[in-house]
Amino acid sequence: DAGVTQSPTHLIKTRGQQVTLRCSPKSGHDTVSWYQQALGQGPQFIFQYYEEEERQRGNFPDRFSGHQFPNYSSELNVNALLLGDSALYLCASSPPGTGGLGYTFGSGTRLTVV
Amino acid sequence: GDSVTQMEGPVTLSEEAFLTINCTYTATGYPSLFWYVQYPGEGLQLLLKATKADDKGSNKGFEATYRKETTSFHLEKGSVQVSDSAVYFCALFLTGGFKTIFGAGTRLFVKA
Repeated sequence: DAGVTQSPTHLIKTRGQQVTLRCSPKSGHDTVSWYQQALGQGPQFIFQYYEEEERQRGNFPDRFSGHQFPNYSSELNVNALLLGDSALYLCASSPPGTGGLGYTFGSGTRLTVV
Repeated sequence: GDSVTQMEGPVTLSEEAFLTINCTYTATGYPSLFWYVQYPGEGLQLLLKATKADDKGSNKGFEATYRKETTSFHLEKGSVQVSDSAVYFCALFLTGGFKTIFGAGTRLFVKA
């Protein structure tokens, strides 16, 4: 049973560019949450997608946007990249009926902005 | 707002030593509490959880008890191994809030 799959695993971008990160949830899960983990810190909630809509959003600017597809996979888009956006981006999926509880995390995408 | 505070690391122990990592929380409601572990280069794995006061979560020799009166959820293990070296995160989830809030993490080094 495949867990949560994220791609790419590593990415280097230049300031001002745009980036798209992808996540395939664990089989049977319908909710996807995205987190940003800066070096040496705990994960910070970006947003959660359920039924193809953003259900909850953390304290992140509009440069961060997302999408969920009918097959429950999700994308995280970041526009106008800043050096401070360098971090590990984690995707977590949750099973139906849990309201976002019961996370299974992917291994993350390491984004470096230069 | 809702938050989690855990002891700063790194914590360095010898193999077979006793481990305690302190965690306290602030929440407006009655959260579920978790400990996650992160090994180098990997995502987070759920270690244990407790959903109501006085519940004890346990897994792989680790334990934590949900203490509502002290708003704490300290992680303990009686005898650590080198393979326990990782970063440990305390976290809370409020039903209806849809998000999990994490502490800053505590790095554990276990020496042989």
